[in-house]
Amino acid sequence: AQKVTQAQTEISVVEKEDVTLDCVYETRDTTYYLFWYKQPPSGELVFLIRRNSFDEQNEISGRYSWNFQKSTSSFNFTITASQVVDSAVYFCALSRNQGGKLIFGQGTELSVKP
Amino acid sequence: ETGVTQSPTHLIKTRGQQVTLRCSSQSGHNTVSWYQQALGQGPQFIFQYYREEENGRGNFPPRFSGLQFPNYSSELNVNALELDDSALYLCASSWGGREVGDTQYFGPGTRLTVL
Repeated sequence: AQKVTQAQTEISVVEKEDVTLDCVYETRDTTYYLFWYKQPPSGELVFLIRRNSFDEQNEISGRYSWNFQKSTSSFNFTITASQVVDSAVYFCALSRNQGGKLIFGQGTELSVKP
Repeated sequence: ETGVTQSPTHLIKTRGQQVTLRCSSQSGHNTVSWYQQALGQGPQFIFQYYREEENGRGNFPPRFSGLQFPNYSSELNVNALELDDSALYLCASSWGGREVGDTQYFGPGTRLTVL
């Protein structure tokens, strides 16, 4: 069975701090896809990144970076120099197919205080 | 380019009633997936429609049904509403279905309250 665990339910930081959101996944598939989505208070899920299981290269996009480690089944997300606008619930998700069913973790609520 | 839209924004129903939620997919997309998100939880996959056919279903009872139209918009129907059906219903559109499909982009959701 596939499963995603986000052990951190809530994280609170002060603006400009760096913060890492953890994601651990379980799957028996050799090919799979990992995602991060952001859900602000408005409710809409905003796509951040997709990574396939054959691409372990870390990625950086502005203040966001992702660390994918197959050896530990983790796909962690770091926000550098956090800002108040980063406050949201962040979800990690796993899919067996490129475009199929997404299995989400429970989410991590990030609060960035000024 | 128009994003994914959903209607209505909010809905209040009573137990036993039926409800229809609507989703318009993003331009160029032919796949719609529906998810249910209970308060404080991650979204749960209900089903996916690709080119008007159901293309995968999660662990939801048959009273959850759907349709996809030739313009790729979609409806989610829930019969015999139960209190536990109260949730945010999210629609996601993408291109290409399950096997070769692209990233799913979500709409703003419909908040359903069942009293």
